[in-house]
Amino acid sequence: SQKIEQNSEALNIQEGKTATLTCNYTNYSPAYLQWYRQDPGRGPVFLLLIRENEKEKRKERLKVTFDTTLKQSLFHITASQPADSATYLCALGKDSSYKLIFGSGTRLLVRP
Amino acid sequence: DGGITQSPKYLFRKEGQNVTLSCEQNLNHDAMYWYRQDPGQGLRLIYYSQIVNDFQKGDIAEGYSVSREKKESFPLTVTSAQKNPTAFYLCASSIEGTERQPQHFGDGTRLSIL
Repeated sequence: SQKIEQNSEALNIQEGKTATLTCNYTNYSPAYLQWYRQDPGRGPVFLLLIRENEKEKRKERLKVTFDTTLKQSLFHITASQPADSATYLCALGKDSSYKLIFGSGTRLLVRP
Repeated sequence: DGGITQSPKYLFRKEGQNVTLSCEQNLNHDAMYWYRQDPGQGLRLIYYSQIVNDFQKGDIAEGYSVSREKKESFPLTVTSAQKNPTAFYLCASSIEGTERQPQHFGDGTRLSIL
């Protein structure tokens, strides 16, 4: 069955550094991948969507890459700030289906 | 402001009791979803609806029921048949289209057993 993996251990970095989060998947061929941010006790908030024919997508301090050969997406936050501290979820999907497959998320902690 | 409203924020269920979680959206989205989130696990799809008066089971529909009588509303009932209902429940909506669009989430309802 399809499986999506995100690092379950929290990522702890210093303010100003670049945070890099990983999303790996197996037994699935997604048409696109999405990244969401979730704060404690809140619902996820959409950040970026990247499609299978795109290698990289940027939005302000955020950058996402998508390597369908490695079956991996990397999510980067440059010049990280304490306000970036949250859990980040990746999700895979296909245009032919409403179903999104979510990873369990990686918690990011940015120290001042 | 447009968005999704879930209520209540906290809900307690007694043994053998059915409870209903509310989800309302004013984004004019056609598609709506219910997810369950447990610690250390990804969101799991319970039910989804593409249009009014139509809905489909997700991966973990057993012990749950839904209705979609209005475009804006997609309530979820957790029945007594759901033996492990304690979780964080999230409602979402999205625009209908040939390419899947991002989902907009509410702020969830946390359900616990008394």
